[in-house]
Formats: sequence, C-alpha cells, structure tokens
Amino acid sequence: GENVEQHPSTLSVQEGDSAVIKCTYSDSASNYFPWYKQELGKRPQLIIDIRSNVGEKKDQRIAVTLNKTAKHFSLHITETQPEDSAVYFCAAGKNQGGKLIFGQGTELSVKP
Amino acid sequence: GAGVSQSPSNKVTEKGKDVELRCDPISGHTALYWYRQSLGQGLEFLIYFQGNSAPDKSGLPSDRFSAERTGGSVSTLTIQRTQQEDSAVYLCASILQTGAGELFFGEGSRLTVL
Repeated sequence: GENVEQHPSTLSVQEGDSAVIKCTYSDSASNYFPWYKQELGKRPQLIIDIRSNVGEKKDQRIAVTLNKTAKHFSLHITETQPEDSAVYFCAAGKNQGGKLIFGQGTELSVKP
Repeated sequence: GAGVSQSPSNKVTEKGKDVELRCDPISGHTALYWYRQSLGQGLEFLIYFQGNSAPDKSGLPSDRFSAERTGGSVSTLTIQRTQQEDSAVYLCASILQTGAGELFFGEGSRLTVL
C-alpha cells in the first residue's frame, strides 16, 4: 500500500545551522507534498507544500525540493532558531483529492 | 466555526467499553479526515469523508472502529469494545474540498484505555 518514509526521526542542531529532513514515497501517482509542523501539545499546522509540477519552492528560511523520478522530497530550514524546535511531518497525496499519507515525523531540536 | 473542534479533549475509559469521539469541522469544509497519533508516532490515516460518504476507510484498524458524518458537517468516530492498544490521540482535520491544499486540524481527543 501507500507508504511515506521519513528520516531522521530526531535531529539536533545549533542555532543558526541548517536542518534537512528527507522523505520518500511509494505511490508514483502522488503529486502533492505538504509539510506540517507540530509543536508540543499542539495541532499540526501546514508550513509549506509543493506540487509535482515544480521542483523547488522557497518561503523565507524554509524550502522544499522534490525529485519525482527518485520519489523523494526534502525540507530545508536555514538559519535555524529555537522556535523552530518541533516535530515535522511530511506527507504525500494527490491534487485531485483522497487521503494524505504522513511520514513518521522528525523531532527537531534547535539548541541556543 | 472558527476552527476544527473536537470533543472530548480527554477520555479515560476501561477496556471493553465503547467510546464516541466527535469532530465539528470548519463551516463549509466538504472533506473531513480522521487520523490517529500514538505516543511519539506519526499520523496514521483512518478514514476520510467527502460530504457524508466515505470514499476511503482503508485505515480503520478493525471492525471495532466505525465513523459517520451527517449533514455534511459533524462526524463521529466510534470505537467499540476498546482495547489498550487503542490508546492514542485521535485527530480530525477538515479541508474546503479535497485537493484544495491545507488540512486544518483540531486539537485532538486523547483516549486512554485502562
């Protein structure tokens, strides 16, 4: 069945460093790839998404890249800050609807 | 409403009892999703609704789990004869229409089965 693998499960960086989280997906029909951030005890919230007609998207310190041939996509956070500490989830789905399959999550810790 | 509302926020029950979890989506959102999040784990898809019908219920773990949606709005997830492994946070999310972008999540219902 459809599956999304996410790595690493935990990531610790120093403030100001970059952080990279990687995901691979199994369903080649997937064409929508969002990233959600979940702070401790709170609900997941969308931070950025990418559709398969583009290879990269950037929003200030956050960027996402997509390689459809290899079926993987990555989240890049530059100049990390302590408030970036949270669990990040990647997901894969289809533009035309249906379920969104999430990865297992990456706990990012940014040390001041 | 202003956001996705879930109740109860916390539920402690004894093994073997039935529980009902409720989700009130954002007004006008046609699609509604249920996910389960176990401690330290990812978001496990359970079921989604488009209007009142459920095109995909493949994630429901067993026949003890069922869900319905009425009036294209409120949804109820029912777990019968609860087991300890059912303990988790059950998250509901809604979206204006499937494929339209961001899922808006509720705060979740934390279920503990003793």
